[in-house]
Amino acid sequence: EAGVAQSPRYKIIEKRQSVAFWCNPISGHATLYWYQQILGQGPKLLIQFQNNGVVDDSQLPKDRFSAERLKGVDSTLKIQPAKLEDSAVYLCASSLLTSPGANVLTFGAGSRLTVL
Amino acid sequence: GNSVTQMEGPVTLSEEAFLTINCTYTATGYPSLFWYVQYPGEGLQLLLKATKADDKGSNKGFEATYRKETTSFHLEKGSVQVSDSAVYFCALSGRGGGNKLTFGTGTQLKVEL
Repeated sequence: EAGVAQSPRYKIIEKRQSVAFWCNPISGHATLYWYQQILGQGPKLLIQFQNNGVVDDSQLPKDRFSAERLKGVDSTLKIQPAKLEDSAVYLCASSLLTSPGANVLTFGAGSRLTVL
Repeated sequence: GNSVTQMEGPVTLSEEAFLTINCTYTATGYPSLFWYVQYPGEGLQLLLKATKADDKGSNKGFEATYRKETTSFHLEKGSVQVSDSAVYFCALSGRGGGNKLTFGTGTQLKVEL
């Protein structure tokens, strides 16, 4: 099966500019996640969708970050305006079930953002 | 809240050496535990998992045992190869939080000839 697709793979912008990342999950996966991975740290969950509804966005900086998952398939993550500390790899993941515990997340290759 | 603590890297080993990467966790209830691996330039991949106490997850020669009494999930491999060079992340999924993963900071492994 095709994996989780993300684009762009790399993006360089100046602070205060905006950027958007796109994710296409594995077909049929109802749950979609966006993680932020800062260099030298583990991934941190930004937002979790179940179909097109938000399950958890408690760690999303809502003053500058937004995400949507229209039609419960593809998702976009936007940052506006970007700050230097937003430099990170943005990982999208999807999973089939929502039952807690053993379900496995499949990750995309990530989108690396550099803010100058 | 849930948290995962991993040993700091980088860990540098010679080929065929024994590997241990320590991982301990804090969580309420009985989480599921995972090891993910990130090869250079690639996304995170599930390496192995364990869903209840005393379970042993294994894959590609790697093993980890869910130890509830010590809240640990240490990763081991008897003989590492150069191709095992990657960053390894320990993670947990709590019962009350859907399937979201809480990750450790990662441990870089370098295997040399």
